[in-house]
Amino acid sequence: AQSVAQPEDQVNVAEGNPLTVKCTYSVSGNPYLFWYVQYPNRGLQFLLKYITGDNLVKGSYGFEAEFNKSQTSFHLKKPSALVSDSALYFCAAPIYNFNKFYFGSGTKLNVKP
Amino acid sequence: EPEVTQTPSHQVTQMGQEVILRCVPISNHLYFYWYRQILGQKVEFLVSFYNNEISEKSEIFDDQFSVERPDGSNFTLKIRSTKLEDSAMYFCASQKLLGGSTGELFFGEGSRLTVL
Repeated sequence: AQSVAQPEDQVNVAEGNPLTVKCTYSVSGNPYLFWYVQYPNRGLQFLLKYITGDNLVKGSYGFEAEFNKSQTSFHLKKPSALVSDSALYFCAAPIYNFNKFYFGSGTKLNVKP
Repeated sequence: EPEVTQTPSHQVTQMGQEVILRCVPISNHLYFYWYRQILGQKVEFLVSFYNNEISEKSEIFDDQFSVERPDGSNFTLKIRSTKLEDSAMYFCASQKLLGGSTGELFFGEGSRLTVL
């Protein structure tokens, strides 16, 4: 079965420090992996995706994610966190033919000034 | 930038009442979805819709739920007889193409349903 897991419910980081939000996957075949962000009382916004090619994927708002096949991970990273990055982050993977996405449980990122 | 719009933003209803949530997907998108999120929790797939029919549905999407695309723009989710546990944020999403270079979902802002 296809699935993604986010092992941390919450990540706390100081503004200016690097941040990492973790995601591991269990998919058959070639994995397609996505990150979405949800700001308070808002819908989900697409950040970035890995389909094929370079393992380091760059996305919106300075975020990037590294696909690691040997560790079955797709961690979201940013070199220097901003207070405005505080939000709920979801890792997601499409099932089969992209007709359905499976979302991780979400990680709340708190960036403190 | 085109966006998915949803109405109402918040609806309060009594248990047993019918509710219709409305969505206007992005105009050139072909695939439409409803997801729900119970307060602060996981985002759960409900149903996908393509070519005027349901492509896939989850176990949550029972006989109380239905979807419709009554015209060229609206995509609705109907809950026939609401239950307390239907209280959640319901997100509509659209997608231009399946797979390939464009696979991301574009989400609306959500409709919060509160069942009393």
